[in-house]
Amino acid sequence: ETGVTQTPRHLVMGMTNKKSLKCEQHLGHNAMYWYKQSAKKPLELMFVYSLEERVENNSVPSRFSPECPNSSHLFLHLHTLQPEDSALYLCASSLGYSNNQPQHFGDGTRLSIL
Amino acid sequence: GQQVMQIPQYQHVQEGEDFTTYCNSSTTLSNIQWYKQRPGGHPVFLIQLVKSGEVKKQKRLTFQFGEAKKNSSLHITATQTTDVGTYFCAQPNTGNQFYFGTGTSLTVIP
Repeated sequence: ETGVTQTPRHLVMGMTNKKSLKCEQHLGHNAMYWYKQSAKKPLELMFVYSLEERVENNSVPSRFSPECPNSSHLFLHLHTLQPEDSALYLCASSLGYSNNQPQHFGDGTRLSIL
Repeated sequence: GQQVMQIPQYQHVQEGEDFTTYCNSSTTLSNIQWYKQRPGGHPVFLIQLVKSGEVKKQKRLTFQFGEAKKNSSLHITATQTTDVGTYFCAQPNTGNQFYFGTGTSLTVIP
């Protein structure tokens, strides 16, 4: 049990589909993150929310749309994805939005685009 | 963007042998974090180093932060099969985020 729960664990979708990834943290943290992990590449930070406000968007294509309705939940809405978007999508949270706080990761969603 | 150099990329060791991975930066760091990701799992925070020359131990794992705070290492003594996984260092950027290294994938041969 990591304290950060992601659903679904696996997702296969066509390029024209719309789906959403969900993340929930039970740690009382104030910052939440979306990362993309592709084979043989470093973890890529996609979005950061602090106290439910987006604070960073690292040049992510608009086909990825985040949503943070409260400090415990984070969504990643997907539409018109490309095959190169196939990857493991990891959600993480930290106590505060700071570069000296440990990040707690969920188990990830393994996304495959057909 | 900032690149985090981590070497080696892969390491195969016989069970019982030692293992070391290195993380280097071109700039002085305020701190550095280490994470471990088991195969099929997610990154798990191991430790954070803050002080120049700091050395911290967790059982068979020894973490070091360089005197100039530009490099760090993780050393595992007498590896076991449970040590298998990818070890990442994470360096802070000028904001409040971390850049993760490419990781060192450790295979332990029984």
